[in-house]
Amino acid sequence: AQTVTQSQPEMSVQEAETVTLSCTYDTSESDYYLFWYKQPPSRQMILVIRQEAYKQQNATENRFSVNFQKAAKSFSLKISDSQLGDAAMYFCAYLTASKLTFGTGTRLQVTL
Amino acid sequence: GAGVSQSPSNKVTEKGKDVELRCDPISGHTALYWYRQSLGQGLEFLIYFQGNSAPDKSGLPSDRFSAERTGGSVSTLTIQRTQQEDSAVYLCASSLRLAGHYEQYFGPGTRLTVT
Repeated sequence: AQTVTQSQPEMSVQEAETVTLSCTYDTSESDYYLFWYKQPPSRQMILVIRQEAYKQQNATENRFSVNFQKAAKSFSLKISDSQLGDAAMYFCAYLTASKLTFGTGTRLQVTL
Repeated sequence: GAGVSQSPSNKVTEKGKDVELRCDPISGHTALYWYRQSLGQGLEFLIYFQGNSAPDKSGLPSDRFSAERTGGSVSTLTIQRTQQEDSAVYLCASSLRLAGHYEQYFGPGTRLTVT
């Protein structure tokens, strides 16, 4: 069975600074997708960024980028120039076949 | 276009009653998923529909839970004889599931409270 581990229940970052959220996963599959989702208090799950396992290049979306280490089964999210609106729960997720498997989430606080 | 919509937004029910939760996926999305998120937890997969194929029900926690998808679009999740442990946010997602388009788009969820 696939598992996704987020070892940081809570993180805090000052506005305009950079923060990295960690995620590791366990799988025997070779073809899969990885995602980071953001869940603000409104509870709407918002896709932040995705990474295809067959791509070596790390995905980037504006201020969000990932460090994908396939051999280490690691998929961290870096948020640059943090903004107050980035405050939310962040979930790492692994997709293969039909199911998304989620980590338990990291609550990100952004301070002034 | 419109995103995934779910209704009701909130539902309070008495223990033992049946409830129905509705999901309208993004138009054209062939895949539809239901997840459950208990307080402070990640998302737990419940069921997956893909086109006309038989649904993957492997995540349903008990036979009190069932779901259907009519006409390949709208889906209803039914919980019979609700229990207090069923209290959670139920999230629906849809996806194109075409090459390069596997990401799932989520609705706002239904918060179910069983008293």
